[in-house]
Amino acid sequence: AQTVTQSQPEMSVQEAETVTLSCTYDTSENNYYLFWYKQPPSRQMILVIRQEAYKQQNATENRFSVNFQKAAKSFSLKISDSQLGDTAMYFCAFMKHVEYGGSQGNLIFGKGTKLSVKP
Amino acid sequence: DGGITQSPKYLFRKEGQNVTLSCEQNLNHDAMYWYRQDPGQGLRLIYYSQIVNDFQKGDIAEGYSVSREKKESFPLTVTSAQKNPTAFYLCASSIGGALTQQFFGPGTRLTVL
Repeated sequence: AQTVTQSQPEMSVQEAETVTLSCTYDTSENNYYLFWYKQPPSRQMILVIRQEAYKQQNATENRFSVNFQKAAKSFSLKISDSQLGDTAMYFCAFMKHVEYGGSQGNLIFGKGTKLSVKP
Repeated sequence: DGGITQSPKYLFRKEGQNVTLSCEQNLNHDAMYWYRQDPGQGLRLIYYSQIVNDFQKGDIAEGYSVSREKKESFPLTVTSAQKNPTAFYLCASSIGGALTQQFFGPGTRLTVL
């Protein structure tokens, strides 16, 4: 079974600074996907960034980037130029690859990191 | 606008009553999912459906039931057999198969008194 671990229950960062959130996972699969989701106080889950395990290049989305270390099973999220609107819970999630018509494509979530951006 | 709707946003029920949470999507997605979120926990999968008239149990299906009679609808019933039903419930959908991004609804907060 796959597991996802986020070892930082809470973090804080000053506005405009950079912060890195940690995530490790355990799997025997070779082909899978990793995600970071953001859940602001509204509780709406929003996809921040996604990484395919077969890609060596780290994914980036504007101020958000990941450091994907497949051998170490590590998937950290870096937020640059932090903004007040980045205050939220951040969840790391794993999904194994399935072929179309396969029976399982559900997400395995970590317990989350609560990020506070301070002015 | 395309998206996922969940209703109601807040729901209160007495202990021992069954309650049904609504989830509708107009994204033409094949797959739909129900997750439960408790304080200090990540999301845990209750049930999922890859196609109409078919669904599978997730990690914590006991005390819950679902149906998938229409592509756009995936209601979740919390039965009296669920020992601790107070939680935040999130519905999600995806195209399915190898295309993996899941889109989430706004959630329903269920409180059992």
